[in-house]
Amino acid sequence: KQEVTQIPAALSVPEGENLVLNCSFTDSAIYNLQWFRQDPGKGLTSLLLIQSSQREQTSGRLNASLDKSSGRSTLYIAASQPGDSATYLCAVFTGGFKTIFGAGTRLFVKA
Amino acid sequence: DTAVSQTPKYLVTQMGNDKSIKCEQNLGHDTMYWYKQDSKKFLKIMFSYNNKELIINETVPNRFSPKSPDKAHLNLHINSLELGDSAVYFCASSQDSLAGAGETQYFGPGTRLLVL
Repeated sequence: KQEVTQIPAALSVPEGENLVLNCSFTDSAIYNLQWFRQDPGKGLTSLLLIQSSQREQTSGRLNASLDKSSGRSTLYIAASQPGDSATYLCAVFTGGFKTIFGAGTRLFVKA
Repeated sequence: DTAVSQTPKYLVTQMGNDKSIKCEQNLGHDTMYWYKQDSKKFLKIMFSYNNKELIINETVPNRFSPKSPDKAHLNLHINSLELGDSAVYFCASSQDSLAGAGETQYFGPGTRLLVL
């Protein structure tokens, strides 16, 4: 049974700091991995999608890596800003229209 | 333009009542989903529909009945509401075909259900 774990559960950093969010999954048989952002009281916004054959994806200040064999992904946020404060969710797509989500990392960036 | 919309945004109701949540997407996607996010913020898939056909029913009680009148709509009807049904329900859509390769999912804003 696929399980997705995110560490840390919560993170508070000063503005301008570079940071890394971690995601691990127990079964390496995935089609892709997605990182989402969820703002309080809002829906999820897709940030990056990495196919199982890819090693990383970049969008602006965000970089996500995937090591499928070890069941790990990281989301790197460069030069963090207060507007980055949100919950970041990692999700793996296991095929058959099934997506398994982690519990998320709550990020707070202090001005 | 709202890509995935849900109504209502908030729903407060008594135990035992029946309620419906509606979802519409204007992205032309083939696949739609319902997710439940509990108080611990864990997001779990409930149902997945592809071209109006049920693909996934993730061991959800049969009090929950999804209905897809067309590709753009996936509604969720809940009978005999229980306290444990209180959660945020999210609708999502993706361009996945029946092959289900895992395209990016687009989420609605959520419906906050509180059962008293």
